[in-house]
Amino acid sequence: GQNIDQPTEMTATEGAIVQINCTYQTSGFNGLFWYQQHAGEAPTFLSYNVLDGLEEKGRFSSFLSRSKGYSYLLLKELQMKDSASYLCAVVASGGSYIPTFGRGTSLIVHP
Amino acid sequence: GAVVSQHPSWVICKSGTSVKIECRSLDFQATTMFWYRQFPKQSLMLMATSNEGSKATYEQGVEKDKFLINHASLTLSTLTVTSAHPEDSSFYICSARAKLSGSPREYFGPGTRLTVT
Repeated sequence: GQNIDQPTEMTATEGAIVQINCTYQTSGFNGLFWYQQHAGEAPTFLSYNVLDGLEEKGRFSSFLSRSKGYSYLLLKELQMKDSASYLCAVVASGGSYIPTFGRGTSLIVHP
Repeated sequence: GAVVSQHPSWVICKSGTSVKIECRSLDFQATTMFWYRQFPKQSLMLMATSNEGSKATYEQGVEKDKFLINHASLTLSTLTVTSAHPEDSSFYICSARAKLSGSPREYFGPGTRLTVT
């Protein structure tokens, strides 16, 4: 089985930087995804990490350490529209590569 | 590219009736499609994994006779909620994984909001 843990809620100020952590325990690993989800909408893809290290994409960066079972999503220059739920999802290896989603972190950006 | 559509986007039905939700990959072939359910302020819960031409694999606790999944082609999967009850009211989301992509990335549909009265 898999266990994924991320904070339930975070708040931050517009223009600031926020880091959302995700820890996981899995019997096999084939990558970790971060998604953004606004209320009432489907998740949108942010990043995919399968190797250790930092992946930077504009204002968003994602980091992975497989040995520690740890990832974080870094959001820079926060904007009000970044207020959303951020989902960490781990894909197990073997078979159909079944994804397991964390509970999501609700990020509130205030002026 | 890699667009997934769902139809309908929302539906209201009476208790005891059945509802069919379609999930289509519009510009790619999908070997695998996933069906999720999401309750308010909760994360996505995987219901089943659907592979083209074979029976769906249901997650533990999901009634396969109640949630019928048919993956008729490489671009279409359907979820039928049979004998719906108010507790089945939820946001249903499908996703598709591209054939031969070499990546486990999923492309999500926009979701279907089901309300059972």
